[in-house]
Amino acid sequence: AQSVTQPDIHITVSEGASLELRCNYSYGATPYLFWYVQSPGQGLQLLLKYFSGDTLVQGIKGFEAEFKRSQSSFNLRKPSVHWSDAAEYFCAVAPGAGSYQLTFGKGTKLSVIP
Amino acid sequence: DAGVIQSPRHEVTEMGQEVTLRCKPISGHDYLFWYRQTMMRGLELLIYFNNNVPIDDSGMPEDRFSAKMPNASFSTLKIQPSEPRDSAVYFCAIKDRGYGSPLHFGNGTRLTVT
Repeated sequence: AQSVTQPDIHITVSEGASLELRCNYSYGATPYLFWYVQSPGQGLQLLLKYFSGDTLVQGIKGFEAEFKRSQSSFNLRKPSVHWSDAAEYFCAVAPGAGSYQLTFGKGTKLSVIP
Repeated sequence: DAGVIQSPRHEVTEMGQEVTLRCKPISGHDYLFWYRQTMMRGLELLIYFNNNVPIDDSGMPEDRFSAKMPNASFSTLKIQPSEPRDSAVYFCAIKDRGYGSPLHFGNGTRLTVT
């Protein structure tokens, strides 16, 4: 069975600083990976996804993520954080692109200092 | 979240009462999912439907939980009788038709069982 680990429960960055949120997965075959964002009181919104091909994927709101098979990682990055990025971020893995039985990490809460 | 409407947004009930959570997809989809989110366990998949048919309910914690999808525009998650440990945020999500399309989450129902 697949699993996802987000080692950082809470991260605080200053507005304008760069951001990297870590995600490690465990899955025996080629994983299909996702990052979602959840604002307070809201559902989850898809930021980006990786199915195959270029290991650096671009998403919405200026986010990108890089798939590194050797490290079993799919870290989320943004070069310059905005105050509106404060939210909780979830990494997820699925056993196939056509499968949406997602397994989610526990999430990383991002706080942004003005 | 524009694709899914959940009601109620908040539900407070006493232990032993029946609770019904509702989900109305308002866009085309082929899969519907019910998730539960708690601080301790994160996001857990409870059950999902494909073309209104339940496919996998292995995540439903106990027989007290049941879900139905009588048509493509409506689904319910029922807890009977409810217990304090059922307190959580329950999300409904749909997958757009088509390979590789993302999940769209509703804003969730926050359930408190006292």
